[in-house]
Amino acid sequence: QVQLVQSGAEVKKPGASVMVSCKVSGYTFSDHYIHWVRQAPGQGLEWMGNINPKGGSITYAQRFRDRVTMTRDTSTDTVYMDLSSLNSDDTAFYYCARDRHSGIIPTWDFDFWGQGTLVTVSS
Amino acid sequence: DIQMTQFPSSLAASVGDRVTITCRASQGIDNYLNWYQQKPGKPPTLLIYGASTLQTGVPSRFSGSGSGFDFTLTINPLQPEDFATYFCQHSYTTPLTFGGGTKVEIK
Repeated sequence: QVQLVQSGAEVKKPGASVMVSCKVSGYTFSDHYIHWVRQAPGQGLEWMGNINPKGGSITYAQRFRDRVTMTRDTSTDTVYMDLSSLNSDDTAFYYCARDRHSGIIPTWDFDFWGQGTLVTVSS
Repeated sequence: DIQMTQFPSSLAASVGDRVTITCRASQGIDNYLNWYQQKPGKPPTLLIYGASTLQTGVPSRFSGSGSGFDFTLTINPLQPEDFATYFCQHSYTTPLTFGGGTKVEIK
C-alpha cells in the first residue's frame, strides 16, 4: 500500500534551519510528484512547492523561494524539505503529499499524505 | 495568486442533514477545484477532484459541483464520521492555494 512516512518532530531556535524527510513506499517513486504543504496549529493549509522525483525539477511558492530547498534521493525513495532562517511564524505541521497523477504532467491535487512533522520554533 | 474564499467558516448540523459548503475563486479556474476532509490530528484526505469527480473509496453521499468561480461540496445525508473540517484547493496554476476551511460540528 502507498505510504509516505515523515521524520519526527523538531524544535528549533529562531534563525536555524530544519530538514524534514519523507520516505515513500508502495509505488514507483519516480512516477508521482511530491508536494510540501504546511499547516500552523489550528490554521489553514499552505502549499510550499513540489519536486519531480524523476528528473528533480522543482517549483517553489514565491513566498518560500529564498528559504526552502527540496531534494530527493532516488536510492532511498526519499524526498527532503529544508527550510532556513526559521522564525516563530514557521511553527507548523509540515506534510509531504503525493500528486495524484502518474505521468509527465501533474494534476496538482494530493491523494496520499504523510503523517505530518511538527516543527516548533522557539527561543 | 488566486484567492480561495470558503464559506461558511463553520456550521452545526445533525446526522441526516444535507450540508452544503461553498468555495469561490478570485479568478476563473475552470473545473480545477479539489476538496479535502481533515479530522483532528490527521492529514487531509482527498474527497473530490476536478470539481465533481469522487476520489476512489469516497462515499457517494459526497458530491461536488461548479465551474469557473463558484463551487460547492454537498454531503447528503450527513453521517457521524463526517464531522470534520473541509478545505477546497485550486489546481489551476501555481501557487496552489487553499480555502480557509469549513468546520462541520454536531448540532
